[in-house]
Amino acid sequence: GQNIDQPTEMTATEGAIVQINCTYQTSGFNGLFWYQQHAGEAPTFLSYNVLDGLEEKGRFSSFLSRSKGYSYLLLKELQMKDSASYLCAVRDPYYGGAANKLIFGTGTLLAVQP
Amino acid sequence: EAEVAQSPRYKITEKSQAVAFWCDPISGHATLYWYRQILGQGPELLVQFQDESVVDDSQLPKDRFSAERLKGVDSTLKIQPAELGDSAMYLCASSLGTSGTDTQYFGPGTRLTVL
Repeated sequence: GQNIDQPTEMTATEGAIVQINCTYQTSGFNGLFWYQQHAGEAPTFLSYNVLDGLEEKGRFSSFLSRSKGYSYLLLKELQMKDSASYLCAVRDPYYGGAANKLIFGTGTLLAVQP
Repeated sequence: EAEVAQSPRYKITEKSQAVAFWCDPISGHATLYWYRQILGQGPELLVQFQDESVVDDSQLPKDRFSAERLKGVDSTLKIQPAELGDSAMYLCASSLGTSGTDTQYFGPGTRLTVL
């Protein structure tokens, strides 16, 4: 079956670095996405990985290891506004009726403290 | 910057009533998605359109839910009759396609409360 695991909650301090892990077991793999979702709002796109390695975008970086079924999102220089839920989603080309369906994890709720 | 539009933002209804949600995707996006997100969980795909055709509705409770995208642009999701368990955020997303770096962009969502 399809399984995407993330920690439920994390707490970090303003100005620090935090790493949010995601492990997945899916029928197939055609890319991994990270989204940020503030309470009561829609998810917003953060990053996309399809090849192994690190993708850096400002204060946010995302890493992928396809052989390990593992990804992480790294947030640097944390700000209070980074307090949100972070969703890991895997694009699976073989699951369900549609090609390349996006399967979401339950999200990691990050609380940034002063 | 182009955005996905949804309305209404909030809807309160009583069980057994009918509700409808509207979505207007980013211009030029051929693929449109309706998701349901229960509090504390990730979005779950209900239905996916490629232009005006449904390509996946395997998780859509078809006895009460229906969705259409008649002209391949905007879309409507309907629930009739609504049940207490339907209370959730209903998100619409769109993308150029479904492959490569095609990213799904989400609208602001409709928060449904069924009393």
